[in-house]
Amino acid sequence: EDKVVQSPLSLVVHEGDTVTLNCSYEVTNFRSLLWYKQEKKAPTFLFMLTSSGIEKKSGRLSSILDKKELSSILNITATQTGDSAIYLCAVAGGGSQGNLIFGKGTKLSVKP
Amino acid sequence: SAVISQKPSRDICQRGTSLTIQCQVDSQVTMMFWYRQQPGQSLTLIATANQGSEATYESGFVIDKFPISRPNLTFSTLTVSNMSPEDSSIYLCSVVRGADYGYTFGSGTRLTVV
Repeated sequence: EDKVVQSPLSLVVHEGDTVTLNCSYEVTNFRSLLWYKQEKKAPTFLFMLTSSGIEKKSGRLSSILDKKELSSILNITATQTGDSAIYLCAVAGGGSQGNLIFGKGTKLSVKP
Repeated sequence: SAVISQKPSRDICQRGTSLTIQCQVDSQVTMMFWYRQQPGQSLTLIATANQGSEATYESGFVIDKFPISRPNLTFSTLTVSNMSPEDSSIYLCSVVRGADYGYTFGSGTRLTVV
């Protein structure tokens, strides 16, 4: 069965800290791995990683895909209270064409 | 990325009634999906909305409970039928235009069934 596992499930840090969120996957027909930030309802796209693009960076956020280890990390440096959210990892692949398989998410709380 | 308008944003409904959620995209898209996020859980795919044919449902979801329409390449609806409190969730539509464009989500519908 295809699955995506995220760790930790929750994390509390203080402003300025650096955090690393983990995602591992067992998904057939892997096509890409995506990271989303969910603050209220709609997940907001952060990164998409594929075999041809295994490292992405945007400001304080960066992500790496390790296809050998079937995993990815999302790094956030110099965290701010506005980074508080649920971070979702999703993998495009599996039996159904085109849909995403989601992990349970990591709830990040950044304290002032 | 595509811009998606989803409505209603939220609703509180009586058990036994039905609610239709609409998803309008600003451009034609090849694939549209409907997801559910139950409280404290991650997103689960309900079905793939196929233009011009019946939706493809995931295991555990049936057409009688979640009928889906997709009359064209920019619009889809999801109906939650004969609702019970267990249907209280966030419902999200998602689109992908191609393998290199990623997946975009609508703003979501927060449904509470009382």
